[in-house]
Amino acid sequence: NAGVTQTPKFQVLKTGQSMTLQCAQDMNHEYMSWYRQDPGMGLRLIHYSVGAGITDQGEVPNGYNVSRSTTEDFPLRLLSAAPSQTSVYFCASSYASGYEQYFGPGTRLTVT
Amino acid sequence: AQTVTQSQPEMSVQEAETVTLSCTYDTSESDYYLFWYKQPPSRQMILVIRQEAYKQQNATENRFSVNFQKAAKSFSLKISDSQLGDAAMYFCAYRSMETSGSRLTFGEGTQLTVNP
Repeated sequence: NAGVTQTPKFQVLKTGQSMTLQCAQDMNHEYMSWYRQDPGMGLRLIHYSVGAGITDQGEVPNGYNVSRSTTEDFPLRLLSAAPSQTSVYFCASSYASGYEQYFGPGTRLTVT
Repeated sequence: AQTVTQSQPEMSVQEAETVTLSCTYDTSESDYYLFWYKQPPSRQMILVIRQEAYKQQNATENRFSVNFQKAAKSFSLKISDSQLGDAAMYFCAYRSMETSGSRLTFGEGTQLTVNP
């Protein structure tokens, strides 16, 4: 049981490049979320999903796309990277509302 | 929208002593969950304790306990017998039960240092 896995752990992009951050969980959780962590601001919700085929925007969705074709996977796509997207990105999953969210190890992204 | 505020960016405590981290939140909802997460230098987010708003009894987990004051919208974390391994960033988080998805709203965090 690997829990929540994220790849890559580190990434450097140039402005304008696109990429996909991968997230997978093997706990059969319906709920999955993406957060970004910036110094002094805690974690902020980017997008979330309540099940396969269902996604919605969080607090800071601009510049990011998501899809949920399977229960296990919830990739986050950066369409055209900007320096403001330099951050640490966390994926999380939970069984249902109110249950513990399990976090992945995070991806540190730098956009130059 | 809900907000969570942690007014102490940094705290320090002597090993074996007790420390309290503060958290306040703003909501118009009556049903919700509150959480404390710990983030050590490894960056991994670890759940410390959870409190359901409908429960009057304060949650406890070994050396960790909360003081939940619903009317005051306050949710402080007490760490007793502090250990070196408790040094980390601590985040308070709010989870609404009236919106879809298991979305958390986080405070800004409190960096806890434990001095030997």
